[in-house]
Amino acid sequence: DSGVTQTPKHLITATGQRVTLRCSPRSGDLSVYWYQQSLDQGLQFLIQYYNGEERAKGNILERFSAQQFPDLHSELNLSSLELGDSALYFCASSDDRSSYEQYFGPGTRLTVT
Amino acid sequence: LAKTTQPISMDSYEGQEVNITCSHNNIATNDYITWYQQFPSQGPRFIIQGYKTKVTNEVASLFIPADRKSSTLSLPRVSLSDTAVYYCLVGDNTWGDTGRRALTFGSGTRLQVQP
Repeated sequence: DSGVTQTPKHLITATGQRVTLRCSPRSGDLSVYWYQQSLDQGLQFLIQYYNGEERAKGNILERFSAQQFPDLHSELNLSSLELGDSALYFCASSDDRSSYEQYFGPGTRLTVT
Repeated sequence: LAKTTQPISMDSYEGQEVNITCSHNNIATNDYITWYQQFPSQGPRFIIQGYKTKVTNEVASLFIPADRKSSTLSLPRVSLSDTAVYYCLVGDNTWGDTGRRALTFGSGTRLQVQP
């Protein structure tokens, strides 16, 4: 158990819909990262938040957005969903004193039909 | 981030030692080498990290030669549960002014352990 929690575990929705994925980082971790893993793209970094502020952006689509709240939990919002958005979405957190030592949650499996 | 090259797949048997080598010819002075393990449908798990020479923990050892252009993850006496994908990542350890620590995963090495 990494200490990072994600909800829901599974999500099935239709094209065009909007969903919200939630992540709670390990206690004390200020950084939260979102990653997408699909069969054809591998594990891709989407976005990072540090103590409530956006810190880095990766391959995140404009239809996707995220935020980190004062209690440090984070939400990833996916809108106008397309079939190609079906993937595993992982959240990770880190103690900023460590180097590339990130702790990943169990993931949310999103299926868009 | 420095580009890394790993074998696509490896096979082994239970009880054997497995060594997975990663090439990173353009590693920079501040770069550290980090390895992650991922089981199917699970998030990656941090295994080990090093800068030079040898690092050992309860799970694995990491060997880094003096020129740091490659590294070897060593898994002693593997079991069936070590069947997973192993990723080698190379990047700047410093916190810096942006604190950007996004991980760039390559394709990894798919290790299959047979009974």
